[in-house]
Amino acid sequence: AQRVTQPEKLLSVFKGAPVELKCNYSYSGSPELFWYVQYSRQRLQLLLRHISRESIKGFTADLNKGETSFHLKKPFAQEEDSAMYYCALIVRTGNQFYFGTGTSLTVIP
Amino acid sequence: NAGVTQTPKFQVLKTGQSMTLQCAQDMNHNSMYWYRQDPGMGLRLIYYSASEGTTDKGEVPNGYNVSRLNKREFSLRLESAAPSQTSVYFCASSEYSRGNSPLHFGNGTRLTVT
Repeated sequence: AQRVTQPEKLLSVFKGAPVELKCNYSYSGSPELFWYVQYSRQRLQLLLRHISRESIKGFTADLNKGETSFHLKKPFAQEEDSAMYYCALIVRTGNQFYFGTGTSLTVIP
Repeated sequence: NAGVTQTPKFQVLKTGQSMTLQCAQDMNHNSMYWYRQDPGMGLRLIYYSASEGTTDKGEVPNGYNVSRLNKREFSLRLESAAPSQTSVYFCASSEYSRGNSPLHFGNGTRLTVT
């Protein structure tokens, strides 16, 4: 069963426009969620974790347990934000991480 | 501090050949993982090792074997490569004993099976 769903494979926004990358999850326990980013031909890097409630590179993500969502948002997109973004869920039994299929974000100058 | 190191970076195999992908981490992490990344499929877990001495199957284990050689090293073996195993392979590690500990990834191995 798909535990993490990212409905948009591709997303294009203009520079300076707001951006929202959607992530929904399915998990009966208490979720631990992350956003990872992969710039062109680089390794995946941790962007955000929900428990930290931090803002990294202008991105924020709020866990909504009622909607089972963890959407990634940024008010003003920059060209350097163009990358592949993955939402991930930890299942603590065995410490397994499940990833969504990813959203490729392109910021148009 | 190198983090997670994978070798080789690129590999081309013929169908039926075997190879081992190597992974080492220097962060003293307990858990290590192998993922494959395919267009439109995201990252899928092949095998993982929650701690030294244990290994378990992930979502797509068929055609692969793993060895947790010690706490630092976790290798992935393809015994008889198939074109369907053409992919980018990522090794990752995390600190299992700490809650909410993230994954740290290697640079990946781009494998082509012809």
